[in-house]
Amino acid sequence: DAKTTQPPSMDCAEGRAANLPCNHSTISGNEYVYWYRQIHSQGPQYIIHGLKNNETNEMASLIITEDRKSSTLILPHATLRDTAVYYCIVSGYGNNRLAFGKGNQVVVIP
Amino acid sequence: SQTIHQWPATLVQPVGSPLSLECTVEGTSNPNLYWYRQAAGRGLQLLFYSVGIGQISSEVPQNLSASRPQDRQFILSSKKLLLSDSGFYLCAWAHLTRGNTIYFGEGSWLTVV
Repeated sequence: DAKTTQPPSMDCAEGRAANLPCNHSTISGNEYVYWYRQIHSQGPQYIIHGLKNNETNEMASLIITEDRKSSTLILPHATLRDTAVYYCIVSGYGNNRLAFGKGNQVVVIP
Repeated sequence: SQTIHQWPATLVQPVGSPLSLECTVEGTSNPNLYWYRQAAGRGLQLLFYSVGIGQISSEVPQNLSASRPQDRQFILSSKKLLLSDSGFYLCAWAHLTRGNTIYFGEGSWLTVV
């Protein structure tokens, strides 16, 4: 599976949009981009995934660049409850094993 | 709807003692099942995964083992715990009809003393 690069940490202002970047320059054509988050002392939670097109659901939006070498997860209105470690993962569809890196520790500040 | 439960939530065990963590999934059949571990301040490490009853794949060598006696039951065991086994253990499930979306349990905190 392709590897990803995320900043180790970032702060976001409460009520503002939070833009979380991820680089995946070695992604192959059949690999999806997945985002999960882990709130302290809980299991990771699925957020969203995409292949080529931008995706949106009730939690977030995923913007994938045209060359698919990077993506951005957007939390439209960050709240204090969004403070968590966010993981960006790329993997082939149906691959049994997702590799979670160290993620991006996002802190939402009042 | 599907749910996943694992227990116990926390345990403190002495070095050399046995371990058994249990996980069950409800509301789906023939899921893929996983055991992950997260040591303090570190990322998630995949320990075992299973695609069916009695089918276990190990990702890393260690003194832990896993078993799947029933379709929706996954057990993590050790005969003799080491201090390095301390960590946060997570059971998870996925289904091919849902691609790679993995759903995690609440986690079990293990402290080996």
